[in-house]
Amino acid sequence: QVQLVQSGAEVKKPGSSVKVSCKASGGTLSTYGLSWVRQAPGQGLEWMGGIIPIFGTEKYAQKFQDRVTITADESTSTAYMELSSLRSEDTAVYYCATNLWDGSGSAINYYYMDVWGKGTTVTVSS
Amino acid sequence: DIVMTQSPDSLAVSLGERATVKCKSSQSVLDSSDNKNYLAWYQQRPGRPPKLLIYWASTRKSGVPDRFSGSGSGTDFTLTISSLQAEDVAVYYCQQYYSTPGSFGQGTKLEIK
Repeated sequence: QVQLVQSGAEVKKPGSSVKVSCKASGGTLSTYGLSWVRQAPGQGLEWMGGIIPIFGTEKYAQKFQDRVTITADESTSTAYMELSSLRSEDTAVYYCATNLWDGSGSAINYYYMDVWGKGTTVTVSS
Repeated sequence: DIVMTQSPDSLAVSLGERATVKCKSSQSVLDSSDNKNYLAWYQQRPGRPPKLLIYWASTRKSGVPDRFSGSGSGTDFTLTISSLQAEDVAVYYCQQYYSTPGSFGQGTKLEIK
């Protein structure tokens, strides 16, 4: 089964950007959707957005629409999540996870999340 | 967006006893075209990422112990642990994937009594 290896912890200043990577090992991303979910300290889970690497099409939660960019490089089986205009409330653990999906074009449905990365801690502090 | 509400927020159960977690969605997550409930359950142990337990409301993921079961349809769902083990101490989340964004419940913290 594929495993997801995420990049290391980051400390960022307010107003800056962070880019977190998620590499598939033991398989490729080509058959999966890939979602990003974050968890603020002591809080619950929040879906930020996802990508279908074979199509290169993304979908974002409205809350993050203006600040998040999700990309994927099929050649290296690596997905990326970049979050801009960071503020203290963005301090969280960011997870990538594989998705079952179906559909095409703009009508892609993201289903349950099967394999999860271990998470990347992003701390936003001045 | 569909709002998911879990109850209770926390739960303490004795080892070997049954634990029950409820999840209610603000609208039905049953798709009449395929008669499937678009509902998953995850377990998150302290300091670990979430782990998928159940999908389509009642399908146990391969390798998940059979003491975990999911039931319900439409807007009301239940996760049951038939005989609590020490390793089941965790926070449990339900998630609907009927519509995007796939929203989560607030979580239920399960502890040993």
